[in-house]
Amino acid sequence: EIVLTQSPGTLSLSPGERASLSCRASQSVSATYLAWYQQKPGQAPRLLIYSASRRATGIPDRFRGSASGTDFTLTISRLEPEDFAVYFCQQYGSSPPVYTFGQGTKLEMK
Amino acid sequence: QVQLQESGPGLVKPSGTLSLTCAVSGDSMSGSHWWTWVRQPPGKGLEWIGEISHSGTTNYNPSLWSRVTMSVDKSKNHFSLRLTSVTAADTAVYFCARDSGTYLYYFDYWGQGTLVTVSS
Repeated sequence: EIVLTQSPGTLSLSPGERASLSCRASQSVSATYLAWYQQKPGQAPRLLIYSASRRATGIPDRFRGSASGTDFTLTISRLEPEDFAVYFCQQYGSSPPVYTFGQGTKLEMK
Repeated sequence: QVQLQESGPGLVKPSGTLSLTCAVSGDSMSGSHWWTWVRQPPGKGLEWIGEISHSGTTNYNPSLWSRVTMSVDKSKNHFSLRLTSVTAADTAVYFCARDSGTYLYYFDYWGQGTLVTVSS
């Protein structure tokens, strides 16, 4: 079973700063099947990034995803007030078909 | 615009069966998309429960497979979840979602979620 570990658990930053969120897989995963979501209180998750680095429709270009081996990173270049939320990474494994989420990183305003 | 809407009882007794339905609009449910349930215990992370195709093929989370059944009714444009022998640990917000259908395995549309509490 693949485990996704996100760090840090909480990140305290100010608007205008750069955020870097990490998602590490316990074993090799395909970057093709790695996605990132944003979730605000009382709302459903919102797709930000798929295939590790491709922005979903309507997502601002300040959101960028990258991959290096089993390490995946979501970078938000200049934080806007609406970016403060919880972020989850998600991967798909095919044998058996299973989707796994990381435990989340809370991005809070400093 | 694709929309999903969960419905079902908000309170289920321990050892009972949780039953939810997800109504889909803006999609005929006959294409390559898979239809998924994800849950989130209060204040915690997301857990994938399982998925169903338009033809009724299912994949379930191994940790839940013995208690989960999903079904699809394309004539009503909805799909459903049954979870048996529930305990307090099954208390969560339950989301339905759509897989993108691109074989890239991500969820592009989500319902707003419905809170199900397991309590006597």
